Amino acid sequence: AQKVTQAQTEISVVEKEDVTLDCVYETRDTTYYLFWYKQPPSGELVFLIRRNSFDEQNEISGRYSWNFQKSTSSFNFTITASQVVDSAVYFCALKRPGGYQKVTFGIGTKLQVIP
Amino acid sequence: NAGVTQTPKFQVLKTGQSMTLQCAQDMNHEYMSWYRQDPGMGLRLIHYSVGAGITDQGEVPNGYNVSRSTTEDFPLRLLSAAPSQTSVYFCASRLAGPGELFFGEGSRLTVL
Repeated sequence: AQKVTQAQTEISVVEKEDVTLDCVYETRDTTYYLFWYKQPPSGELVFLIRRNSFDEQNEISGRYSWNFQKSTSSFNFTITASQVVDSAVYFCALKRPGGYQKVTFGIGTKLQVIP
Repeated sequence: NAGVTQTPKFQVLKTGQSMTLQCAQDMNHEYMSWYRQDPGMGLRLIHYSVGAGITDQGEVPNGYNVSRSTTEDFPLRLLSAAPSQTSVYFCASRLAGPGELFFGEGSRLTVL
């Protein structure tokens, strides 16, 4: 069975602080896909990144970076110099290989950036 | 580009009433799914479909029905609404393969 754990349910930071959102996953598959989605207060779900299990390179996109470590089954998300617009719920998700496999989501981490 | 369109955005029902949440996508995605989002529970899969005429249950299917007569549409039916079905519902679609899900804007349902 697959499982995604986001142990931090809520985090508050002051603007310009760095913050890391943790994601730990469980799977028996050797190939799998990991995702992060953002849900701002307006409610829509926005795709941020997909990572394949065979690609352990870290990724940076502007102030966002992702650290994928297979050894610890973690796919953590760091926001550098946080801004109020980063306030949202962030979901980590896991998908098995295969064209039509389902996606398993974590419960989400609510990030509040205080001005 | 419309993407995934859900209607209605808000709905209030009384216990025992029925309703259908509509979902349509214009991206020719084979895979479509319905999730519900509840506080502290994340997103849980209700039903999904891998193509017209093919549907299957997710982790919380009880109380919901789906059908997929066309590639574009994937309605979710509540036959007899219960207060436990008060939630925010999201329709999502994607191509076959490892790609990301594309979500609708969500439908907030309250069952009194």
